Amino acid sequence: AQSVSQHNHHVILSEAASLELGCNYSYGGTVNLFWYVQYPGQHLQLLLKYFSGDPLVKGIKGFEAEFIKSKFSFNLRKPSVQWSDTAEYFCAVNLYNTDKLIFGTGTRLQVFP
Amino acid sequence: DAGVTQSPTHLIKTRGQQVTLRCSPKSGHDTVSWYQQALGQGPQFIFQYYEEEERQRGNFPDRFSGHQFPNYSSELNVNALLLGDSALYLCASTGTENTGELFFGEGSRLTVL
Repeated sequence: AQSVSQHNHHVILSEAASLELGCNYSYGGTVNLFWYVQYPGQHLQLLLKYFSGDPLVKGIKGFEAEFIKSKFSFNLRKPSVQWSDTAEYFCAVNLYNTDKLIFGTGTRLQVFP
Repeated sequence: DAGVTQSPTHLIKTRGQQVTLRCSPKSGHDTVSWYQQALGQGPQFIFQYYEEEERQRGNFPDRFSGHQFPNYSSELNVNALLLGDSALYLCASTGTENTGELFFGEGSRLTVL
């Protein structure tokens, strides 16, 4: 069965530190890849997505992610985090031509001033 | 432009009871998906409705059923509630533009005692 693994369950950083959150998926076919974010008290919202083309995708608020097909990975990065980035981050995949999203278990990020 | 709205926001039921959760999709969207998010887990796909029919279904028992109305709003029904059904139930909508982005509501938190 297809699955998504997020290895970092809880990450604590100081402001201005760099961030990288890992995401690996298990599926050999074509996939679409997503990162969603849930700020405290808010609904899930899309951070960025990859369908095809340039494997380095840029999202909102300075986030980016790189799709490495050979490693089945889609890691999220940000060069310098801010306190307002405190949130839970979910990696998700869907199989090509389906709408069913498979989510990872999430990474809780806490950024301290 | 109203986003995805869900009701109720919180509810408490006892084992064996039945519950109905409601969702209104984002304006202009015609497809509604339901997800279950247990504590400490990522959202899990329950099913998706399009044109008033269930289009895809995840690995959930028949106790979970749904409906979509002509105005695209949707209901999730769970019968014979179990303690393990306690979770946040998320509704997400998409439109014909097929960007792959799901728009989520804030969820209905169900507690089963």
